[in-house]
Amino acid sequence: NAGVTQTPKFRVLKTGQSMTLLCAQDMNHEYMYWYRQDPGMGLRLIHYSVGEGTTAKGEVPDGYNVSRLKKQNFLLGLESAAPSQTSVYFCASSFLPNQPQHFGDGTRLSIL
Amino acid sequence: DAKTTQPPSMDCAEGRAANLPCNHSTISGNEYVYWYRQIHSQGPQYIIHGLKNNETNEMASLIITEDRKSSTLILPHATLRDTAVYYCIVSIQGAQKLVFGQGTRLTINP
Repeated sequence: NAGVTQTPKFRVLKTGQSMTLLCAQDMNHEYMYWYRQDPGMGLRLIHYSVGEGTTAKGEVPDGYNVSRLKKQNFLLGLESAAPSQTSVYFCASSFLPNQPQHFGDGTRLSIL
Repeated sequence: DAKTTQPPSMDCAEGRAANLPCNHSTISGNEYVYWYRQIHSQGPQYIIHGLKNNETNEMASLIITEDRKSSTLILPHATLRDTAVYYCIVSIQGAQKLVFGQGTRLTINP
């Protein structure tokens, strides 16, 4: 039972490079979320999706784009990476809003 | 979403009950209280949630005061594996997001 799987687990980028983080869930959940967590802080919501083909901005959306072309996948893109985007990124999913969210193990991203 | 206040850190002896408080004095009538924890650098893990009544599951118990302005998460027999940061979150029904604060760093001592 995989749950929420994030790819890759670690990545180092240079400033200005682009990349895509992949989140996949096998629980048939409608709702998916991308958070970032910086040292000593709680999680902050970047973008979320309430279903296939839909996305919405969260608390800290600037510098990120997302896509939900398939129900089971939620992609987070960095078009031009900046050192301020060095963080741990967590993906989560839930069946309904206000239902418990299930989290992946995170992607540790460093921007040099 | 209502703001929550938690102590930054707590210690508990292994085998004892760990009682983690949370203040949410501005909670609205339709906001739920959620508890998550984050062990080391893993993704957060859902523990329990409730609206008005006390709740219990295989992991913990949640005690919500009658005026709903505060709550306590109880881990009945804490083990070393319960060492983690515990987040208390209040969220309106139908909300699209959870707002994580700083949480309480709980250390279980042998």
